[in-house]
Amino acid sequence: AQKVTQAQTEISVVEKEDVTLDCVYETRDTTYYLFWYKQPPSGELVFLIRRNSFDEQNEISGRYSWNFQKSTSSFNFTITASQVVDSAVYFCALMNYGGSQGNLIFGKGTKLSVKP
Amino acid sequence: DGGITQSPKYLFRKEGQNVTLSCEQNLNHDAMYWYRQDPGQGLRLIYYSQIVNDFQKGDIAEGYSVSREKKESFPLTVTSAQKNPTAFYLCASSPTGWSNQPQHFGDGTRLSIL
Repeated sequence: AQKVTQAQTEISVVEKEDVTLDCVYETRDTTYYLFWYKQPPSGELVFLIRRNSFDEQNEISGRYSWNFQKSTSSFNFTITASQVVDSAVYFCALMNYGGSQGNLIFGKGTKLSVKP
Repeated sequence: DGGITQSPKYLFRKEGQNVTLSCEQNLNHDAMYWYRQDPGQGLRLIYYSQIVNDFQKGDIAEGYSVSREKKESFPLTVTSAQKNPTAFYLCASSPTGWSNQPQHFGDGTRLSIL
């Protein structure tokens, strides 16, 4: 069975702090895709990153970075020097390679609050 | 600009009433999806459609119905059989139902019971 666990329900930090959002997944498939989405208070989910299972390189995009560790089935997301605009709910999601997008599995999300 | 439009933003349902949530996209995507979001529960798939005139049940389809008569439109009806409809509903689309391309989301409809 596929599963995505985001153990941190809520995190609160002060502006300029670094913060890491954890994502642990379970799948029996050897090839799969992992996603991160951001949901600001407006409600729309915004796509942040897609990573396939055969590419374990870490990725950095501005203040955002992602650490993919296949050995521990984790795909963690770090925001460096957090800002108030980073306040949102962040979702990690998993999909099998070649599978239907109807099988995109979301974690329950982590609510990040960045205080000035 | 291309995107997904959901309407209305807020909707109230009376006991025993069916209500329909609208979802329109101009991204020329083949596949469309409806999710339900409850506090602390993440997103759960209600229905999805990979092509016009075809759709499949998701994890929580009971009490809901959909149609896909046009590529651009995928309305969701919350029927009186859905006993706990209060939630945030999100519509999404993707280029196809089988690709690894990320889904694009609308900004949701919040449904409450009167």
